[in-house]
This record gives sequence, structure tokens and C-alpha cells, in this order.
Amino acid sequence: GNSVTQMEGPVTLSEEAFLTINCTYTATGYPSLFWYVQYPGEGLQLLLKATKADDKGSNKGFEATYRKETTSFHLEKGSVQVSDSAVYFCALSARAAGNKLTFGGGTRVLVKP
Amino acid sequence: DTGVSQNPRHKITKRGQNVTFRCDPISEHNRLYWYRQTLGQGPEFLTYFQNEAQLEKSRLLSDRFSAERPKGSFSTLEIQRTEQGDSAMYLCASSLGTTGNTIYFGEGSWLTVV
Repeated sequence: GNSVTQMEGPVTLSEEAFLTINCTYTATGYPSLFWYVQYPGEGLQLLLKATKADDKGSNKGFEATYRKETTSFHLEKGSVQVSDSAVYFCALSARAAGNKLTFGGGTRVLVKP
Repeated sequence: DTGVSQNPRHKITKRGQNVTFRCDPISEHNRLYWYRQTLGQGPEFLTYFQNEAQLEKSRLLSDRFSAERPKGSFSTLEIQRTEQGDSAMYLCASSLGTTGNTIYFGEGSWLTVV
């Protein structure tokens, strides 16, 4: 079945540091890949997505590239802010699985001033 | 606000009671999903609808759980005879159902069973 594995947190950084969160996946076919963010007490918000190999998703300074050869979709940001403190979820959807999302376990990121 | 709306946002109930959550999806979305999320975990799929048809149910959805989407609009998730292990956030989401389309989530309904 489909699965997503992402690095465990928490990840603690200073403001303006570089952030990387690793995500790898297992899926049949050609899934679409997503990063969602969850702020405290809130639901999930889409951060970025990529629907085919070599696509790069980007939003709010975050980027991730769909790497089919390594089945990865690592999230990066060059200079984090305190407001980026949240839990980040990597996810995939596949047509063969009804296009529902399969999530990783989440990575908590804490940015200190 | 045209996003996914969930009610109630918080529910505290005694073990053994029944609870019902409601979800109003984005109006033109034909797909509606329910997920469950416990503290420190990623969301787990429960079930989804294409219009009014329930197309898939997870093994997590025991006989005490039932979901409906009458007329393909809003949906309800009912939990009968609640147990402490049901305490979680129940997330509703909707989408247009086409491959690669974004799935939009509501803010969730927190359930605490005491």
C-alpha cells in the first residue's frame, strides 16, 4: 500500500536558519505529492504541491521538488521566521487509491528568535 | 467564508454517549473526506464520498461509526457508544476529486470522551 515517511521532530532552529524536512514515499503508479502545515489548534493548510516528476512546488519561501528516482519530496526554506513554527505533514494522493491523501507522521518545527 | 466548515469545534462527552459531527464542504466540491488525528500523529483516513455515494471505508471505521452525505452536500459522522479511545480530532476535507487536485481541510472537531 501507499505510505509516507518523514523525519521525526521536533526540529528546533534559530530565526533565519535553513530548514530541511526529509520526506520519502512508497506508492504504486505516479502519485501527487503535498506538504501541509498545521498551526496550533488549527486544521491543515496546503503549503505546496507537485503533481509529476521533477515538478517544484513553492509557496511562502518554501520549496520541494518531486524526485521520482529517489521517491522523495523534501521541504526546504532558506531563512525561517518565528511564524513558521508549526507541524509539517508530507502527503501523497494516488488515482489508484481514490485520490485520498496518505500522510506522514508530521514534523514539529520550532523557530526561536 | 467559503471554506470547509465543521461543527461543533469541540465536544466533551461521557463514555457510552453518542456524538455527531457535521461538515459543510466547499460548495462545488463533489468529494468529501473524513480523517481522524490523535495528538502527535498524522491524520488517518476514515472514509470518503463521491457526491452522496460512500466509496471507501477504512478498517479504522468500526461498526460504531457511521457517515452519511445525503444529497451530496453536507456530511455527518456519528459515533455511537463512545469510548475513551475515540478521543481525537475529526477532520473533514473536500475536493473536486480529480487526480492532483488540492484537498481542502476544515478546522476540525475535537472530541474528548471522559
